[in-house]
Amino acid sequence: DAKTTQPTSMDCAEGRAANLPCNHSTISGNEYVYWYRQIHSQGPQYIIHGLKNNETNEMASLIITEDRKSSTLILPHATLRDTAVYYCIVRVKVGGNQFYFGTGTSLTVIP
Amino acid sequence: GAVVSQHPSWVICKSGTSVKIECRSLDFQATTMFWYRQFPKQSLMLMATSNEGSKATYEQGVEKDKFLINHASLTLSTLTVTSAHPEDSSFYICSPQGGRAYEQYFGPGTRLTVT
Repeated sequence: DAKTTQPTSMDCAEGRAANLPCNHSTISGNEYVYWYRQIHSQGPQYIIHGLKNNETNEMASLIITEDRKSSTLILPHATLRDTAVYYCIVRVKVGGNQFYFGTGTSLTVIP
Repeated sequence: GAVVSQHPSWVICKSGTSVKIECRSLDFQATTMFWYRQFPKQSLMLMATSNEGSKATYEQGVEKDKFLINHASLTLSTLTVTSAHPEDSSFYICSPQGGRAYEQYFGPGTRLTVT
């Protein structure tokens, strides 16, 4: 079962930063936080993952609170193409473990 | 990221027939394969997990005799929906896992419509 909770939907103005929160209060010490997004009628796309340190890549930044009970995905300059459903997932990093998807956040970037 | 393909991308079939969906990992070896389905406006639901050369493990509520999974090689897995019914109409997505431990990729999905 999914171990995360996210807001159902969010809007963001084009060009602004989109901050997507995720609560994972029952996360275990060996579980990572992963973010994926799904554009309509496509497979999920990997965005970023982290354990306890903040992470940044070419797509986004991931901010994890010190107690690891929540995190925020930041899209620094949202574009219309970032409109998608964003899923926050916790999982042990070792291979063979399933991703269980929660309901995700539907992000709409507004022109 | 890795390249994952699914075939067909969409299929329409009549009730009672069987449909086979192929999933290929094109540039890495998938030791484990996950199959998901997604109904309209809902999240992805894990159906089953298979390891290459082994029988699949199905999630609770998923009929193993209806959704046949074959993972005979490290680059190919198939999902066969047997005796399909309209309620099986869904978006089916494969997710091979392999290579670096944190990497799990998803196929583009197959839209199944049963009439």
